[in-house]
Amino acid sequence: SAVISQKPSRDICQRGTSLTIQCQVDSQVTMMFWYRQQPGQSLTLIATANQGSEATYESGFVIDKFPISRPNLTFSTLTVSNMSPEDSSIYLCSVPGHGAKGYEQYFGPGTRLTVT
Amino acid sequence: AQTVTQSQPEMSVQEAETVTLSCTYDTSESDYYLFWYKQPPSRQMILVIRQEAYKQQNATENRFSVNFQKAAKSFSLKISDSQLGDAAMYFCAYSNTGKLIFGQGTTLQVKP
Repeated sequence: SAVISQKPSRDICQRGTSLTIQCQVDSQVTMMFWYRQQPGQSLTLIATANQGSEATYESGFVIDKFPISRPNLTFSTLTVSNMSPEDSSIYLCSVPGHGAKGYEQYFGPGTRLTVT
Repeated sequence: AQTVTQSQPEMSVQEAETVTLSCTYDTSESDYYLFWYKQPPSRQMILVIRQEAYKQQNATENRFSVNFQKAAKSFSLKISDSQLGDAAMYFCAYSNTGKLIFGQGTTLQVKP
């Protein structure tokens, strides 16, 4: 499986500010996924980030609020913009496996965001 | 739209005993994949076991096994010889496009 790192691991931010979360993978992948996990809840897909094209957002998530960059095949960023306390969540990136395990997904350690 | 339902918010098991976590899903697709993920307090999502829908044989990974009933759209996880380290949130997930759809999760407590 891929080795995935995320930065920062946690942060406490003021409302109205923005935070950029980084996701780094140790191998090249076509797709990267960003998920949100609100407190005590399950994971919800925010968007799919493909290298060289615009990210594809799920219903309820918009680019102005969660802009995503995908400059190369091993790296992506998710920005949480104009934050409010409702954005307090764990944000996770994930990537598919390689070859025959392409249908599996592996997750980064997550970024715990608290908005005050 | 596909949905995944876990009807057990919390379960508990005695150490060394067996526990089964339930999951049902809804889809009109015939080819898809099902997964169980474990999320301990560290919040790292760990892939426990996977099942390809086209395979009739139930997947097994050491102490973890599934009971996959395709017609009933049921996908339960059995943990045998439960260990303290199994205590975590368990999520059932579905995929047929690469995107994962998760159930609500089941918190498993393991009692010594």
